[in-house]
Amino acid sequence: QQPVQSPQAVILREGEDAVINCSSSKALYSVHWYRQKHGEAPVFLMILLKGGEQKGHEKISASFNEKKQQSSLYLTASQLSYSGTYFCGTVDNNAGNMLTFGGGTRLMVKP
Amino acid sequence: GAGVSQSPSNKVTEKGKDVELRCDPISGHTALYWYRQSLGQGLEFLIYFQGNSAPDKSGLPSDRFSAERTGGSVSTLTIQRTQQEDSAVYLCASSLRRFTGELFFGEGSRLTVL
Repeated sequence: QQPVQSPQAVILREGEDAVINCSSSKALYSVHWYRQKHGEAPVFLMILLKGGEQKGHEKISASFNEKKQQSSLYLTASQLSYSGTYFCGTVDNNAGNMLTFGGGTRLMVKP
Repeated sequence: GAGVSQSPSNKVTEKGKDVELRCDPISGHTALYWYRQSLGQGLEFLIYFQGNSAPDKSGLPSDRFSAERTGGSVSTLTIQRTQQEDSAVYLCASSLRRFTGELFFGEGSRLTVL
């Protein structure tokens, strides 16, 4: 079952902050965040693992609440280059081998 | 090359024909994933390989879809008797480790079924 992302879309002015949320009905092993620009392949942003370990790019921050089965991606002081569609992917404790992505959040940053 | 390579980049076919999509992962990556992305939509999981083995094929949409991986490297996704609803971009990704590894995506194969 795929995770649910919110909001579906957001428009920001350069310099503003945004939070993208991801929730699952299953107990999660890991949460993955990717960004996809139009016409391009998705690009890795961050992985958050059960137990608190995180791996990702320095300028990106995210949280993972294991009890609530939720993750949030924090975009601060947004830049034009942040525009794109953000996907969260989850591996649940009983998923076997499936990394399942949510429907995506479209972010547009305007000057 | 250093990245994940997919071919063909574009494929236009007639309804009812079979198509093969190829993925060449990054050397040494044991995990390989196939996803499907319809226009403006999310990433739909299709199948996952660890080495040459696909432990879970439940993501394949129908029995017209099959995939294999040989030599722990190249993977082929085959769609038989294509239908118009199969039109999408098929993305392949590889990773050093399943579950905890960064996925490196290819540019995708855009399939159009007329």
